[in-house]
Parts: sequence; structure tokens; C-alpha cells
Amino acid sequence: ETGVTQTPRHLVMGMTNKKSLKCEQHLGHNAMYWYKQSAKKPLELMFVYSLEERVENNSVPSRFSPECPNSSHLFLHLHTLQPEDSALYLCASSHSQGASETQYFGPGTRLLVL
Amino acid sequence: GQNIDQPTEMTATEGAIVQINCTYQTSGFNGLFWYQQHAGEAPTFLSYNVLDGLEEKGRFSSFLSRSKGYSYLLLKELQMKDSASYLCAVVDSNYQLIWGAGTKLIIKP
Repeated sequence: ETGVTQTPRHLVMGMTNKKSLKCEQHLGHNAMYWYKQSAKKPLELMFVYSLEERVENNSVPSRFSPECPNSSHLFLHLHTLQPEDSALYLCASSHSQGASETQYFGPGTRLLVL
Repeated sequence: GQNIDQPTEMTATEGAIVQINCTYQTSGFNGLFWYQQHAGEAPTFLSYNVLDGLEEKGRFSSFLSRSKGYSYLLLKELQMKDSASYLCAVVDSNYQLIWGAGTKLIIKP
């Protein structure tokens, strides 16, 4: 398998549930990203990891908790979400951490919070 | 504040040419990306411009004018598979990536 994969592709959860999104990259990259994409809005950068260290957290609510156990895997743990958190969550990777680096995206997880 | 402006939606005809514009106001500039995103799929890299001028890649070309804070993506010989959203993103002086909301391109037969 090549590129960036994400599971699950679709997720419906209640506000009291706990779930996790998984991302895996097979490109040998050292940086990984979580984005939130809402309809007709710009991509919102949530978290950046470089060499498994978190380097950026853009004021994301604590109900979103990232985890990067190694340079190939990235998780986003979700708990007590709100309906406004419903969106497409995209994972991306790049060779190194730097905004001029081309990012390679996964297909995303479509999340619906009821 | 920082701002990226793109048209929300455009319609074009199969076989024609379309130009998608992107204007930006950012704190500094260190390059501009164009990505393509088909509905329900991952954004995929199209181009990166850091110097003024036109760069051509097959049917797709990207133009940059730093003095005008302006870029466009030119798509020639449009095909139905070109129906997608096109995202413009600018690297600012802090090396942060600032994204536009995207332009949805609809191709009609």
C-alpha cells in the first residue's frame, strides 16, 4: 500500500462517545499533520508533528487529543465532541516539517457528531 | 489579517479553457501552492510557485505575480475528470501555510 491512508473513512458518534481516527503514511516522511475541513471554509491546521514531536497546536479544544507513536502513524483521539465538530478530518505528511514542503494527503475521515 | 480569496464556484465547458484566480494578502510570502481535490477524496498537489511567471505542466499552468499578490491556475482542454475543487495556499513569512476556501469547478459536456 502506498501514500497516506486513513481509517475509518466515515464515523458517526454521539457527544458522549470516545473514538479515534488513525492515519498511516508509507512515504518515509518525517512530518505529519491533522487538518479539519468544513464545507466552504479553508482548511484548518490542527496539529503538526515532526519526528514524532508535536511542533504546533493551533488552539484546538482539548476534546481533540493527538498521538504520534512513530513517524509513520498518527492518531486523533476524540471525546465529548460537539455537533459543530462534524467535518472532514484530513491527515497529511511531508518529507520534513516546513510550510514550503509539499504535503501528501489522505482521503479523510468524514465525521458526524449527533 | 491574512486572507486568501478565490471564487467559490466556476462552470466551464468540456474542451474549453478556464482560469481560476487567487489573490492573497499575507504577512510576507514564501511560495504558493495549488491543490486539486475531487469530491470525497484527498487533496493532491498540482503546483508550487515561488518566483514570478508562468509554469506549465501539461494541460495545467500556474502563474504568479508577487507584486500584485495574485496567482491563477489555467486548465486547458478541459475534461470531465477536471471537475473538482481547486485549493490555493500561501506560505507566509513565518512559514505558515494559509489556505483559501477553494474553488469548485463544474465541467459541462
